[in-house]
Amino acid sequence: AQTVTQSQPEMSVQEAETVTLSCTYDTSESDYYLFWYKQPPSRQMILVIRQEAYKQQNATENRFSVNFQKAAKSFSLKISDSQLGDAAMYFCAYRSAGGGATNKLIFGTGTLLAVQP
Amino acid sequence: NAGVTQTPKFRILKIGQSMTLQCTQDMNHNYMYWYRQDPGMGLKLIYYSVGAGITDKGEVPNGYNVSRSTTEDFPLRLELAAPSQTSVYFCASSFTNRGTEAFFGQGTRLTVV
Repeated sequence: AQTVTQSQPEMSVQEAETVTLSCTYDTSESDYYLFWYKQPPSRQMILVIRQEAYKQQNATENRFSVNFQKAAKSFSLKISDSQLGDAAMYFCAYRSAGGGATNKLIFGTGTLLAVQP
Repeated sequence: NAGVTQTPKFRILKIGQSMTLQCTQDMNHNYMYWYRQDPGMGLKLIYYSVGAGITDKGEVPNGYNVSRSTTEDFPLRLELAAPSQTSVYFCASSFTNRGTEAFFGQGTRLTVV
């Protein structure tokens, strides 16, 4: 079974600085998708960024980028120029590329990011 | 532009009571999921469905039941509520395509006393 591990329960960053959130996963599959979701205090789950395992190029979305290391099964999220609105819980998630019942979204335990003004 | 709608947003139940958490989506998604979120534990999958009439257990199904009679609706039933079911519950949906993200409802905070 696949697992997702986020080893940093809490992180803190100064406004305008850069922070990296870590995520590792375990799978025997070669084709899958990885996601970072943001959960602000409103509880709404918001997709931040996604990465296809078959793509070597790291995904980027404005100030958010990932460092995807497939061999190491690592998928970290870098937030540049941190803003107060970035304060939230961040979840790393894995989704198999297989169809049917294997196509579940599996989450890590989350990292709570605080942004200091 | 409703997306995934969950009701209720908050609920307090007494031990032994039953209730149904409603979830509906208007995006014609095949896949639907129920997760629970406990503090420091991330999201655990309770049940999921790959289409109308098809459901399967996730990691933590005990104490819950689901049905999927239509593409749009995926209610979660709690029978004989227990304090261990105090949690925040999220419904989500997605297309079959592997790379598409799941869309989430706003969650239901359930307290069992």
